[in-house]
Amino acid sequence: AQSVTQLDSHVSVSEGTPVLLRCNYSSSYSPSLFWYVQHPNKGLQLLLKYTSAATLVKGINGFEAEFKKSETSFHLTKPSAHMSDAAEYFCVVTRGNDYKLSFGAGTTVTVRA
Amino acid sequence: GAVVSQHPSWVICKSGTSVKIECRSLDFQATTMFWYRQFPKQSLMLMATSNEGSKATYEQGVEKDKFLINHASLTLSTLTVTSAHPEDSSFYICSARDGTNQETQYFGPGTRLLVL
Repeated sequence: AQSVTQLDSHVSVSEGTPVLLRCNYSSSYSPSLFWYVQHPNKGLQLLLKYTSAATLVKGINGFEAEFKKSETSFHLTKPSAHMSDAAEYFCVVTRGNDYKLSFGAGTTVTVRA
Repeated sequence: GAVVSQHPSWVICKSGTSVKIECRSLDFQATTMFWYRQFPKQSLMLMATSNEGSKATYEQGVEKDKFLINHASLTLSTLTVTSAHPEDSSFYICSARDGTNQETQYFGPGTRLLVL
């Protein structure tokens, strides 16, 4: 079975400082992993994805994530937070060959001016 | 590219009525679409998988007679909430899988349903 654990329900950072959102997964096979962002009352936007290629994945808006198989982690980072980064972030893993997705509980990011 | 739309964006209805939500892939063909439900401050829960030209497959605990899904074309799937009740009030989100990039799902903007 596949599962996703987002270790922080809420992260608060100052504008211009780094952001780290932590995600651990468990899977009985080699999954694909994603980070999605959801702004209030909006749908989900794909930030980046890992599909067994390079372990360091670069996404949109300056985000990147590193896949560490030994640690079963896929943490999301951004070197300098912007006010527009305030949103809900979901770490997501494929459940199997049927391409269904399992979502983490989400991390709410707030950015202080 | 890879845009998914939903209509309506929000709907208010009376208890006992049925509500239809449309999900369209605008610039690609989607043989598979997914329907999710999201309660406030919670994550997305997969309700069902919609396959073009065949019956939808429902996740455990989701009533198929309550949530009717039709996927009549490669660009349109519909979710009908039948005999809606206040507990069906939620944010419903669809996604579509691009056949050329199969691991990635593209999400619609969601439909907020309020049942009075």
